Amino acid sequence: NAGVTQTPKFRVLKTGQSMTLLCAQDMNHEYMYWYRQDPGMGLRLIHYSVGEGTTAKGEVPDGYNVSRLKKQNFLLGLESAAPSQTSVYFCASSYPTSGRNSEQFFGPGTRLTVL
Amino acid sequence: RKEVEQDPGPFNVPEGATVAFNCTYSNSASQSFFWYRQDCRKEPKLLMSVYSSGNEDGRFTAQLNRASQYISLLIRDSKLSDSATYLCVVNIRTGNQFYFGTGTSLTVIP
Repeated sequence: NAGVTQTPKFRVLKTGQSMTLLCAQDMNHEYMYWYRQDPGMGLRLIHYSVGEGTTAKGEVPDGYNVSRLKKQNFLLGLESAAPSQTSVYFCASSYPTSGRNSEQFFGPGTRLTVL
Repeated sequence: RKEVEQDPGPFNVPEGATVAFNCTYSNSASQSFFWYRQDCRKEPKLLMSVYSSGNEDGRFTAQLNRASQYISLLIRDSKLSDSATYLCVVNIRTGNQFYFGTGTSLTVIP
């Protein structure tokens, strides 16, 4: 099993450009998440999905959109990139239960720079 | 106020030392608790869940104090390979959202 994979691994954008980050998981997890990690801020939740066709806002959703058309994929879109969106983006997935079995599995991250 | 707060460190300890990290959380409705480990420029990975009664996994011991809303991680007999950032994570059942602390940096020195 590949686990959680992310595409691309690195990207440099100019202000105003758009892009889509792709997350894929092969563990049949219901829940998927997008986080960003910035120095001194820890991981912050952007959007999440509790199942195919559903999405919800997290802590820092502004400037991002997401889609979950297939259970195994969760896409994060930046319509008009801004320098403040320079960050490392992590995707994660988990089973739907809370409690001890709700371990999150993370992808390797996408390092995005917006100039 | 942040949902989860940790001392960022850094902690620099010699091999063989015992080191303890603490973490506090603000939401009393928090359901489950974890410690994750993150190596430099890598993704976070689960180190251990934290159970109400406390739990141990080899050299690692985790404890939870619901009344005071804090979680701790104790590492005994530190190894060089323990050098990493340790993230305290709290799960709140609504939407199964996870809240991460900013992490505590540990460097084990030969």
